[in-house]
Amino acid sequence: EIVLTQSPGTLSLSPGEGATLSCRASQSVGRNYVAWFQQKPGQPPRLLIHGASSRATGIPDRFRGSGSGTDFTLTISRLEPEDFAVYHCQQYGDSHFTFGQGTKLEIK
Amino acid sequence: QVQLQQWGAGLLKPSETLSLTCDVYGGSFSNYYLHWIRQPPGKRLEWIGEIHQFGDTKYNPSLKTRVTISADTSKNQFSLRLRSVTAADTAVYYCFLFYCDGGCHGHWGQGALVTVSS
Repeated sequence: EIVLTQSPGTLSLSPGEGATLSCRASQSVGRNYVAWFQQKPGQPPRLLIHGASSRATGIPDRFRGSGSGTDFTLTISRLEPEDFAVYHCQQYGDSHFTFGQGTKLEIK
Repeated sequence: QVQLQQWGAGLLKPSETLSLTCDVYGGSFSNYYLHWIRQPPGKRLEWIGEIHQFGDTKYNPSLKTRVTISADTSKNQFSLRLRSVTAADTAVYYCFLFYCDGGCHGHWGQGALVTVSS
């Protein structure tokens, strides 16, 4: 099983600032099959990024995914008030898909 | 606009079988994967398994002996069955549809809280 570790656990920023979220895998993720999801309280997650760097349909271009192998990053430029949420990474390059523990992005 | 509607029993006793259904409305799509994912209280998301358009399934090894995912494609209806539940299976359960048709799309059900308690 590939274990995903996200950092930081909590990130406190102000609207307009940029955010960098990290997702590290315990072993290399096949074909860089990493997705990022955004989740707000009481709601299901929302797919942002798939294949490490491809935005899902309808996702603003201020969300950018990057990385390969074991290290992946979600970058959010110019934070909007609606961006404050929990972010999850997921790997699906292994036959057993796994998620990170989440990063909470909160308003400073 | 694709929408997923989940339904099923929300309160179970230990040893019973969890049964959830996910109805997909509002679109036609191909080469899709329908996943079931759960979120225990205060814990990370956990992937349960998936079914492909052509019926191939894949399961989380830790749940494989207890879980079945099936589909009735004529109704765009997908089902999850988890046998012999325990309190550790208490979670919010989601269905998640992923497909690509030029762009790639992910659509989620609204979630269903399933509580296992004697």
